[in-house]
Amino acid sequence: DAGVTQSPTHLIKTRGQQVTLRCSPKSGHDTVSWYQQALGQGPQFIFQYYEEEERQRGNFPDRFSGHQFPNYSSELNVNALLLGDSALYLCASSLLPVNYGYTFGSGTRLTVV
Amino acid sequence: AQTVTQSQPEMSVQEAETVTLSCTYDTSESDYYLFWYKQPPSRQMILVIRQEAYKQQNATENRFSVNFQKAAKSFSLKISDSQLGDAAMYFCGGDYKLTFGKGTLLTVNP
Repeated sequence: DAGVTQSPTHLIKTRGQQVTLRCSPKSGHDTVSWYQQALGQGPQFIFQYYEEEERQRGNFPDRFSGHQFPNYSSELNVNALLLGDSALYLCASSLLPVNYGYTFGSGTRLTVV
Repeated sequence: AQTVTQSQPEMSVQEAETVTLSCTYDTSESDYYLFWYKQPPSRQMILVIRQEAYKQQNATENRFSVNFQKAAKSFSLKISDSQLGDAAMYFCGGDYKLTFGKGTLLTVNP
């Protein structure tokens, strides 16, 4: 049973560029959430997608956007990259409305230079 | 909205001993879930234990148990018979969008 798959695992981008991160949820899960984890910090909630709609959003600027596809996979897009966007980006899937817990991927390490 | 506070940046325990990690939270929701996750150096977040707020009984998963005090908004994790593989960052979190605390780094000494 495949868990949550994220790609790529590592990425280096230049300030001002745009980046797209991808996530395939665990089989049977229909909800995808994205988190940003800076070094030494806890993951910060970016947004959550359910039924191809953004269901909830954390305190992140509009440069962060996402999409969920009919097969429940998801993308996170970040425009106009800043040095401060360097972080581990985690994707987590779940099955709502009963919350049995989130299954996380291993993350994408984004470095902005 | 929910806030989560983990007041212990680091904890250490001897192998086979018991350790308790603290977590307090604040929420305006009447029904919610609380979780403990561990994040080893491999960086993947792994679910340790889950608690439904409407349930009085504390959740237990093998060597892991919680002390859930709803009125005090406290949700501590007890690890019994600690093993070297328990060494990791531990994050407490809750709510449907899973708000996390800043984590507690647990070291297990042989």
